[in-house]
Amino acid sequence: EDQVTQSPEALRLQEGESSSLNCSYTVSGLRGLFWYRQDPGKGPEFLFTLYSAGEEKEKERLKATLTKKESFLHITAPKPEDSATYLCAVRGALESSGGGADGLTFGKGTHLIIQP
Amino acid sequence: GAVVSQHPSRVICKSGTSVKIECRSLDFQATTMFWYRQFPKQSLMLMATSNEGSKATYEQGVEKDKFLINHASLTLSTLTVTSAHPEDSSFYICSALQAGGLGSPLHFGNGTRLTVT
Repeated sequence: EDQVTQSPEALRLQEGESSSLNCSYTVSGLRGLFWYRQDPGKGPEFLFTLYSAGEEKEKERLKATLTKKESFLHITAPKPEDSATYLCAVRGALESSGGGADGLTFGKGTHLIIQP
Repeated sequence: GAVVSQHPSRVICKSGTSVKIECRSLDFQATTMFWYRQFPKQSLMLMATSNEGSKATYEQGVEKDKFLINHASLTLSTLTVTSAHPEDSSFYICSALQAGGLGSPLHFGNGTRLTVT
C-alpha cells in the first residue's frame, strides 16, 4: 500500500527566510507525485506534478524536486501570503494503490506559517 | 480552467436526517470523481471513487449504504450522507480527474463542512 510521510508537521519562518518541506514516499510504480496548497476551510489547490527522479518544477517562490524516495518543496524568500498547509500526494501503480485506481494517497501535510 | 464547484460549503443538520452534497466540474468533463473526508489536522482520506454511469467503488471501512454516491453525468457527482450522526461531522471534499492521461492531477472543490447535532 502506498504511504506518504511529510515533515515537519509545522514550520514557522520569518518573512524572507527560505526553507524546505519534505515528503517521503513508498509506492510501487510511481505514476506521479503531487504537491497541493490548502488554506483553512478550503479544498486543496494544485501546485505541481513530478513524474521521475531528477525532475524539478518551479512556480514563483516555490520549487519542487523529486528523488526515488522523497520530494522536497523549497520555498525561497517566503511572504506571509505563502502561509498555508502544503500537502504531498502520490499515485501509485494500479495494483498497489490504496487510493483508488486513479486517486491519490495524501500525507498529513506541513502547516507553514510565515511571520511578517 | 479545471474548476470544481462543491455545494453547500457548510451544513448543519440534526441527527437522523440526510444531507446531499453536490460536486460539479465547471469547465471540463470528469469521467471519474473522488470523495475525500478530512478530520482536523489529519490527511485527506479517500472514501470512494465515482465513475460516470456505474456504481461507485468504496474504500475499506466506508459504509456504502450510509454514503450514497451518484455520478449521473460527466459533470456532476453527489454524495448523500444518510441518517447522519454526530460522528459523521467532518469536512467532505470532492475532486475530479481531468482527462489527459494517467498523470493528470486531481482538482478539488472547496469542501463541505458538515456538522451533525
